[in-house]
This record gives sequence, structure tokens and C-alpha cells, in this order.
Amino acid sequence: EIVLTQSPGTLSLSPGERATLSCRASQSVRSSYLAWYQQKPGQAPRLLIYGASSRATGIPDRFSGSGSGTDFTLTISRLEPEDFAVYYCQQYGTSLTFGGGTKVEIK
Amino acid sequence: QVQLVQSGAEVKKPGASVTVSCTASGYTFTSYYMHWVRQAPGQGLEWMGIINPNGGTTSYPQKFQGRLTMTRDTSTNTVYMELSSLRSEDTAVYYCARVNDYFAITGAFDVWGQGTMVTVSS
Repeated sequence: EIVLTQSPGTLSLSPGERATLSCRASQSVRSSYLAWYQQKPGQAPRLLIYGASSRATGIPDRFSGSGSGTDFTLTISRLEPEDFAVYYCQQYGTSLTFGGGTKVEIK
Repeated sequence: QVQLVQSGAEVKKPGASVTVSCTASGYTFTSYYMHWVRQAPGQGLEWMGIINPNGGTTSYPQKFQGRLTMTRDTSTNTVYMELSSLRSEDTAVYYCARVNDYFAITGAFDVWGQGTMVTVSS
């Protein structure tokens, strides 16, 4: 099973700042089959990025994904108030696993 | 619009079974694989398995084999997830989620149900 480790566990930032979230895999993710989700309290996850770098429909361009192999990054260029949430990475190249999540909180 | 609507919250005793339904609308039901994911209170996401709405074939990770059954009804565009021999650790929100590419067995999940809370308590 591919284990995904997300860091940091919590990111404390102010609106307007840049957020950089990391997702590291225990082995190479096939074909960059990696996705990122945003989840707010009481809501289902929302797809942001798939294929490591493709934005899902309707996702603002302040969200971007990069990486390959075992190291992936989600970047939020300028945090908006609605971006404070928990973010999960998911690999779907070999079976399917999720990372443990990164909480982006208001500083 | 494309949506998945799940059945309501359940409270079950240890050892019992629970069935959660997920009804799809707004797209061709048999063209997209469906997965189930659960989330224990305050915890992360856990993948539970997959069903092909077209042929009904399923695949579950070893952790759930023997306790988990996924089925579908193409006449009502509904998939079902039945988990048996419930224990307290099964207390979680259960989600159905659609793969974002038609006929792809796995992938990113672009549409999610609203979630169904299942509480296991004596």
C-alpha cells in the first residue's frame, strides 16, 4: 500500500498569504495519479486538482498542483477567507489511498 | 445537475448490519464507477471499495473483505453499501463518490454524496 504523508499538519497563515502544502508518497505514484481535495466542517470533500496538476471544473486559478514520483505540492497563491479548511491528497495509481490531511487555519 | 443523494443517518448496535444508499442523477449512471469512502469523527478519509454500476462487479481492500457488500440497482440509479458485524470503530460518515472519467475504474472523485452518519453504539 502506498502511504501518503502530508506536511505540515497545520499551517497558520493570514488572508493574502501564500500556502504551500506537501504530500510525500512511500513509493512512486504511477502516472502522477494524484489528486487534492478541500474539506470544510460538515461538508463532503471537494476536488481541486487531479493528475497532479490539472484543476477541476470551477476551481480558481489561485490553486495549483505540481510534482511527480513521490513528491507533490499544492499551492494556494493568495489565501482567501473561504480557503481556510483541511486539504487531503489522494493517490489512485496503485489501489487508492489518502493522506492524513493538512489544516490551513487563520493566523 | 449532477448529484449523489445518500440515505439518512443510522444508529446501530454492535454486531448489526447497516445499508447506506446513494442515488445518482444528472448523468448516465452506468458510465461512471462509484467508490465509497468513510471518515471517522475528527479523522481523515479512508477508501472502502468500488463498484461498477454497469456490470455490478466490485473490489474491496482486504480490510473490508468478508464484511462489506456493494450492490447496485440500475432501474433506480442507486448503489448500496452494506457493512456487517459492526463495531464501535465503524462509527463514521460514509460517502459515495463518482470517478471523474467515464469508464475509468479509478481516479479522482469529482462528485460526492452529502455523507451518511453511521453510529455504532450499545
